[in-house]
Amino acid sequence: GQQVMQIPQYQHVQEGEDFTTYCNSSTTLSNIQWYKQRPGGHPVFLIQLVKSGEVKKQKRLTFQFGEAKKNSSLHITATQTTDVGTYFCAGPDSGYSTLTFGKGTMLLVSP
Amino acid sequence: EAQVTQNPRYLITVTGKKLTVTCSQNMNHEYMSWYRQDPGLGLRQIYYSMNVEVTDKGDVPEGYKVSRKEKRNFPLILESPSPNQTSLYFCASSADFNSYEQYFGPGTRLTVT
Repeated sequence: GQQVMQIPQYQHVQEGEDFTTYCNSSTTLSNIQWYKQRPGGHPVFLIQLVKSGEVKKQKRLTFQFGEAKKNSSLHITATQTTDVGTYFCAGPDSGYSTLTFGKGTMLLVSP
Repeated sequence: EAQVTQNPRYLITVTGKKLTVTCSQNMNHEYMSWYRQDPGLGLRQIYYSMNVEVTDKGDVPEGYKVSRKEKRNFPLILESPSPNQTSLYFCASSADFNSYEQYFGPGTRLTVT
């Protein structure tokens, strides 16, 4: 079945440093979604990318979808303590019925 | 307020005692889904429903049942819980599967002893 892999599993940065998490799918994706889960919370949708090579920005967050639509990245510029949480990518299966999540990257930001 | 609600939020039970975790959404969403989240394994889909009376297995359906008799409700049933079903469970919904983000409920932390 489809596999979605994320690296790194965990990253600890100092406030102000940049952070990037990478997502790779075993299959070509029609779209990819990113979610953030704060400690003790539930996943919250951040963004969806659909087009090959697409780049979207949300303030300090930059999302990219690869040209082959099999990989994606999330980059945070100048992290803040409010960025703490686990970031998940997720992609639909070819039958458009299930969403496969990566295992997530846990981000810890020290002040 | 648009939301997905789950009950109970916390549950400790014993092996073999049937339980139901309720899930309800007020957004008229067609697609609903159950996930379990375990350390190191991420979010894994248990069951999903594309619409009323339409349900199907996700990646880890063993030991679980679901029903979708009304659009807003999607209960998760554990007929005979076992300790390996101790986990954090999330219900989610979306307008339809193909194009829209999923809204997650607050989660239900289940412990089976």
